[in-house]
Amino acid sequence: QSALTQPASVSGSPGQSITIPCIGTSRDVGSYNLVSWYQHHPGKAPKLMIYEGSKRPSGVSNRFSGSRSDNTASLTISGLQAEDEADYYCCSYAGSSTWVFGGGTKLTVV
Amino acid sequence: QVQLQESGPGLVKPSETLSLTCTVSGGSVSSGPYYWSWIRQPPGKGLEWIGYIYYSGSTNYNPSLESRVTILADTSKNQFSLRLRSVTAADTAVYFCASAYARSLSFDDWGQGTLVTVSS
Repeated sequence: QSALTQPASVSGSPGQSITIPCIGTSRDVGSYNLVSWYQHHPGKAPKLMIYEGSKRPSGVSNRFSGSRSDNTASLTISGLQAEDEADYYCCSYAGSSTWVFGGGTKLTVV
Repeated sequence: QVQLQESGPGLVKPSETLSLTCTVSGGSVSSGPYYWSWIRQPPGKGLEWIGYIYYSGSTNYNPSLESRVTILADTSKNQFSLRLRSVTAADTAVYFCASAYARSLSFDDWGQGTLVTVSS
């Protein structure tokens, strides 16, 4: 069970859009449309932003969207705002009642 | 929305057992269908799923930790706990408890996390 691969960092300017890829394998991302994304401000509880690949929980801005193609899932944030600056983690169900996370991506809004 | 709060020692000696408790409010560890889970984040690293106890009482663990991990529930206190045996410095991490809804298999609610340092 290897961790999903994410870029260590991405950056964007206010108002721009950014996309964070999450590369898995045919055993996790590629097999299940059960990728979730979490926003984490250090010292606080992580927050679910996307579940089942592309669904948004109630209260999450529609600026956040998710997608999947083959073994890669992606999180796109449009209309970047300063408050979006945080760490973002992808997670995939990996079968047999197990989960695997990505290494995390630090988003900087410059 | 469920609230979760981790508690336990912040310092554990090498070779000893790390023990943490997660207190649940706004929900019940015996109501389903939820996976009551533990997740950790070593310093400077990503998240790692440790394991869960299902509302029915069944458990499952990350294969990389399975030989050292036990997760239990105390329904009378509405808590679930983590025990990690024979710890080393590599087990130093922020430990989170979280709940995952069985249909979406995503971690909907999280505690704030607690830092556990393994050091003599």
